[in-house]
Amino acid sequence: AQTVTQSQPEMSVQEAETVTLSCTYDTSENNYYLFWYKQPPSRQMILVIRQEAYKQQNATENRFSVNFQKAAKSFSLKISDSQLGDTAMYFCAFMKAGNYGQNFVFGPGTRLSVLP
Amino acid sequence: SAVISQKPSRDICQRGTSLTIQCQVDSQVTMMFWYRQQPGQSLTLIATANQGSEATYESGFVIDKFPISRPNLTFSTLTVSNMSPEDSSIYLCSVEPRGNYGYTFGSGTRLTVV
Repeated sequence: AQTVTQSQPEMSVQEAETVTLSCTYDTSENNYYLFWYKQPPSRQMILVIRQEAYKQQNATENRFSVNFQKAAKSFSLKISDSQLGDTAMYFCAFMKAGNYGQNFVFGPGTRLSVLP
Repeated sequence: SAVISQKPSRDICQRGTSLTIQCQVDSQVTMMFWYRQQPGQSLTLIATANQGSEATYESGFVIDKFPISRPNLTFSTLTVSNMSPEDSSIYLCSVEPRGNYGYTFGSGTRLTVV
C-alpha cells in the first residue's frame, strides 16, 4: 500500500519570501502521479500542481514548482514570492496511474501561514 | 475540469438524526467519491459511487451508517445516519480525474453534531 508523509505539520513564511514544503512517499509502483493540493479556510480543495512520475522535468505553475526526486521518493513544493492568499493547508497526494478511488492517497498536510 | 456544487455548505445537527449531503456535477462522470476530513486531519476515502451499482466502501465505513445514492451520471448523495459528535467533520465529494490530471472536489460540507 502507498503511504504519503509530510513531516512539517506547520510552517510560516514572510510575505514575498520563498518556502519549501516537504513530502515523501512510499510505493512499489513505477507509474504514478503526484499532486499538491491547497485547502484554504473556505475548505475548497484546489489543485496546485501535478507531476507525472515518468517525467524527469520538474513541474512548474507560475510561483509554484516542485522538486521531484523519484529515486528518493521525494516531492517537495516550492512557493516563491509568497502571498497572503497562499495561507492554507497543503496536502501532498499520490495516485497510481490507471486506477482511481482507493489508489489516491493524501498526506497528513502542512499548515502554511504567510505573515505580512 | 468539472465543476461540482455541494450542499449544504454547513449544518449543525442533533445527535441521533441524519443528514443528506448532495453533490451535483456539471458534466457526466462515471465515478464519484466521498471523503471525510476529521478536524485537523487529512482526507479519508469513505466510498466510491458508480452510477447503476452499489457503492464500494472502504474499510471502517459501512452502508448502514453512510448510505450513498447515485441515481445518474451527474448527481450523488451521502447520508450520515444516526449521527454522534464523532461524526463532526468536513465531508467532500470528488469526481474522477480527467486524463489523470487530478481530482476535482466539491466545496465541502462542515458538519457539527451536538
